[in-house]
Amino acid sequence: GAGVSQSPSNKVTEKGKDVELRCDPISGHTALYWYRQSLGQGLEFLIYFQGNSAPDKSGLPSDRFSAERTGGSVSTLTIQRTQQEDSAVYLCASSLQTSGIVAGELFFGEGSRLTVL
Amino acid sequence: DQQVKQNSPSLSVQEGRISILNCDYTNSMFDYFLWYKKYPAEGPTFLISISSIKDKNEDGRFTVFLNKSAKHLSLHIVPSQPGDSAVYFCAASILGGFQKLVFGTGTRLLVSP
Repeated sequence: GAGVSQSPSNKVTEKGKDVELRCDPISGHTALYWYRQSLGQGLEFLIYFQGNSAPDKSGLPSDRFSAERTGGSVSTLTIQRTQQEDSAVYLCASSLQTSGIVAGELFFGEGSRLTVL
Repeated sequence: DQQVKQNSPSLSVQEGRISILNCDYTNSMFDYFLWYKKYPAEGPTFLISISSIKDKNEDGRFTVFLNKSAKHLSLHIVPSQPGDSAVYFCAASILGGFQKLVFGTGTRLLVSP
């Protein structure tokens, strides 16, 4: 597709279950980001991929959170043993990194709304 | 530690008037600033940006002003239109590193006819 695609759009799960959120970035975009937005909060950075590697995963809240990217394309964010505080909208974005130049513009998907009961 | 702050959670403006959205930042290393607009159930979309070598950038009805000494930027929309009603996020980053954008909490703009 033309834009960043995320699935599922909505996920309701029980506390303690594992969840996987998927992001399909814009074709050709080498940089991929995960952010989350909790109720009443701004967008919180989680992790950044350049190709398949993650130079910065400093925003992952705990070791229950992990992410991978394969083939320089699709990324999966996994949350293990979900807690109620994990409830948020998880947003994926991609950008076309140009060497030595900050493109600045991130293209966001519509997000995956996670509700942990 | 909120490095980018949008202290007004909401703003109401009449159609045709100017909307002014404000943003403050604390990290003096930030040198690139962006505004994103978000409609309900959609992802944020890029609106306008400014680098620290400028103090103003204009794109149609949208103008961003940067006051580095005050660590303050603002987005002006004139004239405001009902379709501008959305949540506006201010974001900042540091050039030279990768594009880790630090976002504010957003301001909900309502433009009434």
